[in-house]
Amino acid sequence: QVQLQESGPGPVKPSQTLSLTCTVSGDSINSGSYYWSWLRQPAGKGLEWIGRIHPSGSAYYNPSLMSRLTMSIDTSNNQFSLRLRSVTAADTAVYYCARDSAWRAFDNWGQGTLVTVPS
Amino acid sequence: QSVLTQPPSVSGAPGQRVSISCTGSSSNIGAGHDVHWYQQLPGMAPKLLIYGHRNRPSGVPDRFSASTSGTSASLAITGLRAEDEADYYCQSYDSGLSGSRVFGGGTRLTVL
Repeated sequence: QVQLQESGPGPVKPSQTLSLTCTVSGDSINSGSYYWSWLRQPAGKGLEWIGRIHPSGSAYYNPSLMSRLTMSIDTSNNQFSLRLRSVTAADTAVYYCARDSAWRAFDNWGQGTLVTVPS
Repeated sequence: QSVLTQPPSVSGAPGQRVSISCTGSSSNIGAGHDVHWYQQLPGMAPKLLIYGHRNRPSGVPDRFSASTSGTSASLAITGLRAEDEADYYCQSYDSGLSGSRVFGGGTRLTVL
């Protein structure tokens, strides 16, 4: 069973860049035809898809975040990453990484990491 | 404002059947794109419950089922149990939003 684990620096100051990494274990990030996605969930609110990346490096982003977002993938270390620039308090959320299956469904999720941007 | 629309809450007594609706549009559910459902227990990450309109991952009981018609989808839970109390989300693909995965706002299920 594939497992995903988010890691990041914790609180991020307004206008700075949020950086998170997801480490995949139990399978190679290169196996199959999976994409690897980031999602987030503000406290008490619903889920928002942020973007996805393929081991080839091709990435697709949520249009609402595209101007501030960069995703990357490191197949040698079985990791993929997120960089969100110019953060505000509205970016405060639990951030999840997930495997994006051929069905376009998220079939494996990390436990999530809370990122707080003070207002 | 979520792209897919779900009722904020539903409730039912143990043993009963409840259903949760998910309404989209012609660029997502109405375009024939797969609908998936997730269960999120309090304080936990979401878990895939139904994929590809009606398929259950291994380990998901057959008390959970789903269907799709036109621009809407529905999740049904029969034989309601206390441990089913959770938030449920529908998700699809929207061809009008640059390949975005889109979600419903979520429905809180309360077991009375």
